[in-house]
Amino acid sequence: GDSVTQMEGPVTLSEEAFLTINCTYTATGYPSLFWYVQYPGEGLQLLLKATKADDKGSNKGFEATYRKETTSFHLEKGSVQVSDSAVYFCALSDPGGRRALTFGSGTRLQVQP
Amino acid sequence: EAEVAQSPRYKITEKSQAVAFWCDPISGHATLYWYRQILGQGPELLVQFQDESVVDDSQLPKDRFTAERLNGVDSTLKIQPAELGDSAMYLCASSPSGGQGEAFFGQGTRLTVV
Repeated sequence: GDSVTQMEGPVTLSEEAFLTINCTYTATGYPSLFWYVQYPGEGLQLLLKATKADDKGSNKGFEATYRKETTSFHLEKGSVQVSDSAVYFCALSDPGGRRALTFGSGTRLQVQP
Repeated sequence: EAEVAQSPRYKITEKSQAVAFWCDPISGHATLYWYRQILGQGPELLVQFQDESVVDDSQLPKDRFTAERLNGVDSTLKIQPAELGDSAMYLCASSPSGGQGEAFFGQGTRLTVV
């Protein structure tokens, strides 16, 4: 079945550092790919998405590019802030199937001032 | 901005008791999901509705969990009897028709079974 693998955390960075959180996926067909962010005690917020190969999703300074050849969707940000501290989830949805999201296990990001 | 509403935010219950959660999706969203998120893990699908019909409940522990969406709008998830292992965050989400699979989540209900 479909699956998503994320790098384990926590990832600890200083403010203004460059961020990469790795995400790879396994799916039949051509899934849509997503990054969600979860702040403590809250639900998940959609951060960005990409629906086909080579698409780049972007939002709030975060970017991720759908790489079909490497089945990856790595999240990047050029300069992190303390307010970016949260748990980040990579997810996929198979538009040809049931469409429910399949999530990775999440990566906790801690940004220190 | 439209939001998915869930209640209660927090629930503490004793094992073997019954507990229920409520969800009101974004207006016009035909697809509704219930996910369970154990601390430190990603959400896992429990049940998916399309309007009032169940599309997928393969991961729902049907001996103790029931999910309803009788009017095709809001939904209730019930656990009876609750077990210690049911302690988790229960997340409701909804999706628009014609979307690319993105779902919009409520703030969740944190359940603690003691």
